[in-house]
Amino acid sequence: KAGVTQTPRYLIKTRGQQVTLSCSPISGHRSVSWYQQTPGQGLQFLFEYFSETQRNKGNFPGRFSGRQFSNSRSEMNVSTLELGDSALYLCASSGGLAGVGTGELFFGEGSRLTVL
Amino acid sequence: SQKIEQNSEALNIQEGKTATLTCNYTNYSPAYLQWYRQDPGRGPVFLLLIRENEKEKRKERLKVTFDTTLKQSLFHITASQPADSATYLCAPYKMDSSYKLIFGSGTRLLVRP
Repeated sequence: KAGVTQTPRYLIKTRGQQVTLSCSPISGHRSVSWYQQTPGQGLQFLFEYFSETQRNKGNFPGRFSGRQFSNSRSEMNVSTLELGDSALYLCASSGGLAGVGTGELFFGEGSRLTVL
Repeated sequence: SQKIEQNSEALNIQEGKTATLTCNYTNYSPAYLQWYRQDPGRGPVFLLLIRENEKEKRKERLKVTFDTTLKQSLFHITASQPADSATYLCAPYKMDSSYKLIFGSGTRLLVRP
């Protein structure tokens, strides 16, 4: 069973640009969550999608957005990039037909974003 | 607000010894507590989950305890090996309408050969 796939793995952008990151969850998983990880702040929750609906959102500015497609694949977008957006962006999927369970997350390897 | 605390200082132990990591939480009543392992530059990997009505859970060389009165979980690795060197994250989880997990900052474990 293939794991969570994130693309691209590494990218470099400049301030003011925008970026789109992609995530393919484990087959059968309908929940996709996004996290930002930085050395100073640790793992911070961005948002979670289930069946194309955003169910929860973290405390991030509106420049951070996401969406989920009917095949459960998800994308997140960051507009007007700032230096502080440099981070490892992690996608995680979770299963369960009901969409709520014990909450184990299966993470991808992440997309390392560097903003210059 | 919810607060999760893990030892920020790295834990440095000799191979073969037992490593014990601590996770404390406040302003929170989780139904589960999860532990993850993260290697540098990689995504966290789920290790173990313990329910609020369980005092202890074991998986191979791993043992987790959960004390809801103390609001604390202990994570033990027995007969530690250099390959166990990584950062370990705890995540108390209260089942609600989404899979939002709040993670501790993690404790880095270094096992010396």
